Amino acid sequence: GENVEQHPSTLSVQEGDSAVIKCTYSDSASNYFPWYKQELGKGPQLIIDIRSNVGEKKDQRIAVTLNKTAKHFSLHITETQPEDSAVYFCAAIRGVRGYNKLIFGAGTRLAVHP
Amino acid sequence: GAVVSQHPSWVICKSGTSVKIECRSLDFQATTMFWYRQFPKQSLMLMATSNEGSKATYEQGVEKDKFLINHASLTLSTLTVTSAHPEDSSFYICSAGTGGEAEAFFGQGTRLTVV
Repeated sequence: GENVEQHPSTLSVQEGDSAVIKCTYSDSASNYFPWYKQELGKGPQLIIDIRSNVGEKKDQRIAVTLNKTAKHFSLHITETQPEDSAVYFCAAIRGVRGYNKLIFGAGTRLAVHP
Repeated sequence: GAVVSQHPSWVICKSGTSVKIECRSLDFQATTMFWYRQFPKQSLMLMATSNEGSKATYEQGVEKDKFLINHASLTLSTLTVTSAHPEDSSFYICSAGTGGEAEAFFGQGTRLTVV
């Protein structure tokens, strides 16, 4: 089955700096890679995703890149703000219409210091 | 995005009692929902797949008789923790997809504390 590894486990940056979180996956058939932000005591919130037919996707300060050959994908947050502080999870799935059995990475605790 | 609602958001129960957690898709129908469990500072671990109109599929190591799942309609799945013990204390989260794409939307989670 799929296995997703995520690094680093914790990341501390100064406000305004960039943050990068990296994930690798094992199942070459996986074709959908979402990123979730989880704040304390809340459920995960989808912040950006990418499909295997795309190499990069950007949404304002957030971007995701995918390298299918190496089987890794990364989350990039630019101009970080204190409200970006949270736990971020990557996930992978062999996406089938309406079937979303996600395999999560271990999570990265991001702290943005003013 | 689609909205998934969980209830209750937190619950405290006595050891030996049962607790039911509801997961609703508010603005879409979900033939499949997923239940996850999350311990403090850990990732989400898939417990089971809830299928509308049929039995749930449990992940290896999850006791199906302890964690009862019912998916009675296209908008509601319930997870019942039976004969709860302190080690069942955790954060339980459900997710569902709209059926059109691969995106999964999560409920706000339920924090269960067994005393």
